[in-house]
Amino acid sequence: QSVLTQPPSVSGAPGQRVTISCTGSSSNIGADYDVQWYQQIPGRVPGLLIYSNGDRPSGVPDRFSGSKSGTSASLAISGLQAEDEADYYCQSYDDNFGGYVFGSGTKVIVL
Amino acid sequence: QLQLQESGPGLVKPSETLSLTCSVSGGAISGSHVYWGWIRQPPGKGLEWIGTLHFSGSMNYNPSLRSRVTMSVQTSRSQFSLHLTSVTAADTAIYYCVREFRTAIWNRGNARFDFWSQGTLVTVSS
Repeated sequence: QSVLTQPPSVSGAPGQRVTISCTGSSSNIGADYDVQWYQQIPGRVPGLLIYSNGDRPSGVPDRFSGSKSGTSASLAISGLQAEDEADYYCQSYDDNFGGYVFGSGTKVIVL
Repeated sequence: QLQLQESGPGLVKPSETLSLTCSVSGGAISGSHVYWGWIRQPPGKGLEWIGTLHFSGSMNYNPSLRSRVTMSVQTSRSQFSLHLTSVTAADTAIYYCVREFRTAIWNRGNARFDFWSQGTLVTVSS
């Protein structure tokens, strides 16, 4: 069971906006540790999508945005495209665990 | 552009030691804001952080694996290594070597894994 909780899947039609939640606790997200998001397209290597809660590495479209509040974080994808169909993982640091933790992952399905 | 390439056997027998090496090119392994590490992903499952280390020798391991994990860095060869002892079928996974970048080197809370290798599948089986 992951320390960071994500929904197993979310879906949306092309052009729509979807959001993925990442729920933590006072020992990770709530401890003011940054949240990162990674995208893993089927059969590919995970790649950094969002860092420091809401910053995008160069080359990541601004359709992807991240936010954090309290003990939770969210990833939003606006203008959903077929190429966005992938697994998305949140990641942070956890004091109780004593290391980095990942969410269980959310599959985004483009209808 | 920084590149990471892992090498090592793809098949390890139960109870033996899994050993992987990651070669770093296109960037310095001795950077002040970077750590180097390993993340694994069992087939069809999620990501698990194994551990990370700094070229100075500072390291952090996943507590659930700490008793079996050893990591080391060979600065002169721009390589770092992973050794996981007493493996079982549960250790079967794709193993990625990664760069961990910290905005402030002392703060693990702002770390991100910004470069990944292609990954290598290691199967534990007799």
